Amino acid sequence: EDQVTQSPEALRLQEGESSSLNCSYTVSGLRGLFWYRQDPGKGPEFLFTLYSAGEEKEKERLKATLTKKESFLHITAPKPEDSATYLCAVQAYSGYALNFGKGTSLLVTP
Amino acid sequence: DSGVTQTPKHLITATGQRVTLRCSPRSGDLSVYWYQQSLDQGLQFLIQYYNGEERAKGNILERFSAQQFPDLHSELNLSSLELGDSALYFCASSVAAGGPNEQFFGPGTRLTVL
Repeated sequence: EDQVTQSPEALRLQEGESSSLNCSYTVSGLRGLFWYRQDPGKGPEFLFTLYSAGEEKEKERLKATLTKKESFLHITAPKPEDSATYLCAVQAYSGYALNFGKGTSLLVTP
Repeated sequence: DSGVTQTPKHLITATGQRVTLRCSPRSGDLSVYWYQQSLDQGLQFLIQYYNGEERAKGNILERFSAQQFPDLHSELNLSSLELGDSALYFCASSVAAGGPNEQFFGPGTRLTVL
């Protein structure tokens, strides 16, 4: 069965303090790995899609990387507006649904 | 704004009742997905439609059903509601039936069952 585990569950950073969020996955044939950002009470907002091991994508202060077993979301010099829950999801070749992890709740303080 | 719209934003109802949640996908997207988000379970896939046809089913209860209409909007029907059905319900849409293609989420409908 496909499984996605995100760590840590919660992370508190000071503004400017870089860190990484982890997403470990097991899937029977990875079609794609997705990162989303979710603000409280809102719908998930698409950030990145990664397709194969070794791939990297960047957007502003965020960089996502992928290996055969995990993905990292690196946050460089975060700002308070980066505070949100970051969700990782995998899509397997066997299906169309996204299988989500439970997320990492990030709080960036000034 | 993702371009996916959902109505209503909030819904409060009683146990045993039936409700309908509505979703309009982004312009040009043929595929619609429904997800349920609760505090303990996280985001769970319920069902997918592509161009009017059911394509995949997840952990959707028999009391729940969905359909996609010719104009591509979708409705999720929840019946015989129980307290445990209280959750956020999200609709997402994508261009194609499979992937990898990004799914864009709507703002959600918060369902409270009293």
